[in-house]
Amino acid sequence: GNSVTQMEGPVTLSEEAFLTINCTYTATGYPSLFWYVQYPGEGLQLLLKATKADDKGSNKGFEATYRKETTSFHLEKGSVQVSDSAVYFCALTSRDGNNRLAFGKGNQVVVIP
Amino acid sequence: GAGVSQSPSNKVTEKGKDVELRCDPISGHTALYWYRQSLGQGLEFLIYFQGNSAPDKSGLPSDRFSAERTGGSVSTLTIQRTQQEDSAVYLCASSMGGLRETQYFGPGTRLLVL
Repeated sequence: GNSVTQMEGPVTLSEEAFLTINCTYTATGYPSLFWYVQYPGEGLQLLLKATKADDKGSNKGFEATYRKETTSFHLEKGSVQVSDSAVYFCALTSRDGNNRLAFGKGNQVVVIP
Repeated sequence: GAGVSQSPSNKVTEKGKDVELRCDPISGHTALYWYRQSLGQGLEFLIYFQGNSAPDKSGLPSDRFSAERTGGSVSTLTIQRTQQEDSAVYLCASSMGGLRETQYFGPGTRLLVL
C-alpha cells in the first residue's frame, strides 16, 4: 500500500536558520507528492506539490524535489522566519489509491526569534 | 464563498449520541473527501465521493460511520452511537476530481465525545 514516512520529532531552530524536513514514500505507480502546512489554529493548506519525477515544487521560499530514485520529497527552506512555525505534513496520492491522500505523521516546526 | 466550509466548528456530545457533520465543497469541485485527524492516528482517509460514482467507503472505521453527498455538492458525515475514541478533528476536502488534482481542505469540525 501507499505510505509516507517523516522524520521523528519536533524541529526547533532559530530565525534565519536552514530548514530541512525529510520525507520518504512507498507507493505503486507514479504518485503525486505534496507538502501541506497547518498553522496554529488554522486548517490544512497546500504548501507545494510535484506530480512527476525531478519536478521541483516551490512556494513561500520552500522547495521540494520529487526524487524517484530515492523515493523522497524532502522540504527545504534557506532562511526560516518566526511565521513559519507550523506543522508540516508530507503526503501523496496515487492512481491505485483512488486519489486519497496518504499523510505522514507531520513535523512540528518551532522557529525562535 | 471561495473555500471549503464545514459546520459546526466544534461539537461536544455525550457518548452514545448521534452526530452529523456538514461539508460545503468549493463550487464546481466534483470530488469530495472526508479525513480524520487525531493525536494517536494522525491524518486518516475516511471516504471519497466522485461525481455520481459509488463512494469509496474503505476508510470508514466502523459501521457507525456513514456519509452521503446530496446533489453532488453538500456532504454530511454521520456518526451513530458516538464513542470517546471518535473524538478528533474531522476534515473535509474537495478537488476538481482528476487523479492529480490538488485537494483543498476546510477548517474542520472538532468533535469531543464525553
